[in-house]
Amino acid sequence: GESVGLHLPTLSVQEGDNSIINCAYSNSASDYFIWYKQESGKGPQFIIDIRSNMDKRQGQRVTVLLNKTVKHLSLQIAATQPGDSAVYFCAERISGGYNKLIFGAGTRLAVHP
Amino acid sequence: DTAVSQTPKYLVTQMGNDKSIKCEQNLGHDTMYWYKQDSKKFLKIMFSYNNKELIINETVPNRFSPKSPDKAHLNLHINSLELGDSAVYFCASSHPPGRLQETQYFGPGTRLLVL
Repeated sequence: GESVGLHLPTLSVQEGDNSIINCAYSNSASDYFIWYKQESGKGPQFIIDIRSNMDKRQGQRVTVLLNKTVKHLSLQIAATQPGDSAVYFCAERISGGYNKLIFGAGTRLAVHP
Repeated sequence: DTAVSQTPKYLVTQMGNDKSIKCEQNLGHDTMYWYKQDSKKFLKIMFSYNNKELIINETVPNRFSPKSPDKAHLNLHINSLELGDSAVYFCASSHPPGRLQETQYFGPGTRLLVL
């Protein structure tokens, strides 16, 4: 069925460390993947995206890796800061599905000083 | 300069009532969406409109009726509210599928509590 899941519901890191948030997706027909950050009381905020014809994309302090062989997506955050504390969602879009996103359950990232 | 805005931010109402949530975007997008986020933070799409035409309609009770008066607005009307409707409802918008910039941008959410 349709599902996007996360391995770790909560991730605690020290300020300055690198964070890695993982996500498993289930649909081989997905052509587009997105990571969102949701702070308490706010809407999901776009972080970075990647298309299925790529395996890596970098942004400012963030990198998304896509492994289509094992249907795995990860978000790497370099030099994690307290402001990075939030719930992170991965989402997949099935090709031809009118831009319908299927979201994972979310991982809470807690950054400690 | 808010990109996607929703009103109200909070909505507390009694079971059986009818209520509406409004959404507006000033990003020039043609496509708008409604999502429901439950108490476990699971986000699920409900509807999508492209240029005022319904293109995604998930398995949602027909008590929920979206209305798009123009491309910049997508409202959600809910009849006969039930306890299980309590959730956070997010509006989002994007360029149409097939365009290079398909990212969906979300509003701040409407927190609905049905008593």
